[in-house]
Amino acid sequence: GAGVSQSPSNKVTEKGKDVELRCDPISGHTALYWYRQSLGQGLEFLIYFQGNSAPDKSGLPSDRFSAERTGGSVSTLTIQRTQQEDSAVYLCASSLVGGFGEQFFGPGTRLTVL
Amino acid sequence: EDQVTQSPEALRLQEGESSSLNCSYTVSGLRGLFWYRQDPGKGPEFLFTLYSAGEEKEKERLKATLTKKESFLHITAPKPEDSATYLCAVQAPSNQFYFGTGTSLTVIP
Repeated sequence: GAGVSQSPSNKVTEKGKDVELRCDPISGHTALYWYRQSLGQGLEFLIYFQGNSAPDKSGLPSDRFSAERTGGSVSTLTIQRTQQEDSAVYLCASSLVGGFGEQFFGPGTRLTVL
Repeated sequence: EDQVTQSPEALRLQEGESSSLNCSYTVSGLRGLFWYRQDPGKGPEFLFTLYSAGEEKEKERLKATLTKKESFLHITAPKPEDSATYLCAVQAPSNQFYFGTGTSLTVIP
């Protein structure tokens, strides 16, 4: 199908390493969102892109986290110097129109930091 | 601080036994309230958007309603395939989305 895809599906890394998580949104969707879901916790909003711009980066947990989006399409979430508390499922979603409306989620990337 | 609280955390129903899930919120200037369904190992699947108090939406056995402080997801005559975690989210004026921790629903045949 033509849904949101994320890669890798699983990532195991050692504490202190950098990781990159990729999201391919639905074609034509202008808005893209990143969330983090920890065990027993609700989805935590991280960042939102309208086109290639991120109007609000305040949801990123620390300066070790960064995200970019290129060509109004693919987005990469980078976590530098990973810590064990970064272990979670990272979910990406896209929507046709930014700022509101129905979001379509990808299957997520499960990140485990040893 | 904006908060979304869902109750109960878990709910077990017999097939055909109707019930309601609750989502209460404290965000000011709500831009929208969203219900999602999440199956294990998958991303959330959109169900409904509600924008103003008094609004109702229906889809098969599900009906969502909204007041100024809470939303209900009513499940009528549930079936085992309705078993999932149901998530509520609110959109603040800042365009940030706040999710609740969900209600895990199990429907027993």
